[in-house]
Amino acid sequence: SAVISQKPSRDICQRGTSLTIQCQVDSQVTMMFWYRQQPGQSLTLIATANQGSEATYESGFVIDKFPISRPNLTFSTLTVSNMSPEDSSIYLCSVEGTVQETQYFGPGTRLLVL
Amino acid sequence: QKEVEQDPGPLSVPEGAIVSLNCTYSNSAFQYFMWYRQYSRKGPELLMYTYSSGNKEDGRFTAQVDKSSKYISLFIRDSQPSDSATYLCATSGDSSYKLIFGSGTRLLVRP
Repeated sequence: SAVISQKPSRDICQRGTSLTIQCQVDSQVTMMFWYRQQPGQSLTLIATANQGSEATYESGFVIDKFPISRPNLTFSTLTVSNMSPEDSSIYLCSVEGTVQETQYFGPGTRLLVL
Repeated sequence: QKEVEQDPGPLSVPEGAIVSLNCTYSNSAFQYFMWYRQYSRKGPELLMYTYSSGNKEDGRFTAQVDKSSKYISLFIRDSQPSDSATYLCATSGDSSYKLIFGSGTRLLVRP
C-alpha cells in the first residue's frame, strides 16, 4: 500500500486565518481525495483532486473556502480559508488503492480553531 | 435517512470474545464494501474488502455482505486488546472511487 504523510500533524489557529495542509505520497497516483472528520462523526468527502485538472468539490464545499492544488502525481495541498471554530476537525487525504474502489489514508491533520 | 447506518457504540467485550459489527445501507446499486480500522489519532486503515455478496475471511476477521437485506457485517474472532479501535464500514457503487462511510463503531476489548 502507499505511504502517505501529512503536514502539519496538528495545529491551533486563530479565527479568520488560513492553513495549508500538505499531503505527500511515496508513489505516483492519479486520484487524491480530501476528507473532513468531525468529532464523533464519519468521514465526509470534501473534494477529489486529479493531477492536471481542477478539483471536483462535493455538495456543501466550495473552492473559495477549500482551495486545492495538485501540482504533480505525488503531492496535493488543501487550504482551509478564513477559518472559524466550526472548521475544527481532522482533515485527511487519501489516494486510490490498488484494489478497485479502495483508498489508502494519511494520518490526518488535527485542526483547532479558536 | 443516511446512506450508510452504523451503530456508534461503544462496544465493550472481554478478550477472546467474538465481536460482531454491522452496517446497513440504502442504495441497492452499491457493489463494493469495505471495513476500515482507525486507531486513536491515526488515519483509517483498510481492513477488509468485498465485492458484491458473500463472505471473505482473513485470519481472525470475516467480512459478510448480504445484498438482499442491504446488511454488512464484520466478525472478529478471539478478540485482542489490540483490536480496540473504531471500525468504519464503507461502500461504493459507481466505480468513481467515491466512498460513503458509516459513522464508525468504537470497540474496546478488555484484557
